[in-house]
Amino acid sequence: NAGVTQTPKFRILKIGQSMTLQCTQDMNHNYMYWYRQDPGMGLKLIYYSVGAGITDKGEVPNGYNVSRSTTEDFPLRLELAAPSQTSVYFCASRPPGQGIMTEAFFGQGTRLTVV
Amino acid sequence: SQELEQSPQSLIVQEGKNLTINCTSSKTLYGLYWYKQKYGEGLIFLMMLQKGGEEKSHEKITAKLDEKKQQSSLHITASQPSHAGIYLCGAKNSGGSNYKLTFGKGTLLTVNP
Repeated sequence: NAGVTQTPKFRILKIGQSMTLQCTQDMNHNYMYWYRQDPGMGLKLIYYSVGAGITDKGEVPNGYNVSRSTTEDFPLRLELAAPSQTSVYFCASRPPGQGIMTEAFFGQGTRLTVV
Repeated sequence: SQELEQSPQSLIVQEGKNLTINCTSSKTLYGLYWYKQKYGEGLIFLMMLQKGGEEKSHEKITAKLDEKKQQSSLHITASQPSHAGIYLCGAKNSGGSNYKLTFGKGTLLTVNP
């Protein structure tokens, strides 16, 4: 079972460059999330999606963009990378629960350094 | 939006000791997750509490949800070095944005042999 797969695992970017962090899940989950985790900190929500074609901003969306053209894929785009975007990025997915909580599955993370 | 505050921020215990980590929400809790993260790695699901008063256990880890206090506690009995890591609580937001999942800043646990 693949679960949630993130690529790449590591990346070094120069200031001003752009890149896309890939996230794919094979569990047919409607809900998907992107978080960033700074050193010594918890998870901050960047963007989330409740289904194909629907995305919404989280707590820290500035400098990022997302799209959700399929149920499986939820790529995160960084435009004009800045040192403040140096972080570990996690993608997560979960099925809808119709009012109850459902387990959220996380990818292994992408460690991004902007120099 | 909902905020989760974890205490303590960090904790150092001697192997074999018991410990408790707390997670307090700024809004009504409609359920709560506990995850563990080893340094530099992904998140490992521990358990999910759905309703007030619920208590779950997995091996030597027990978590409870107190809806009235808007709080959850995670208790580890007879800690071992394998329990070391960052413990994160997360919750589904209440109200209109109930698809969002918010997480606390984590508690760093060190267990000395």
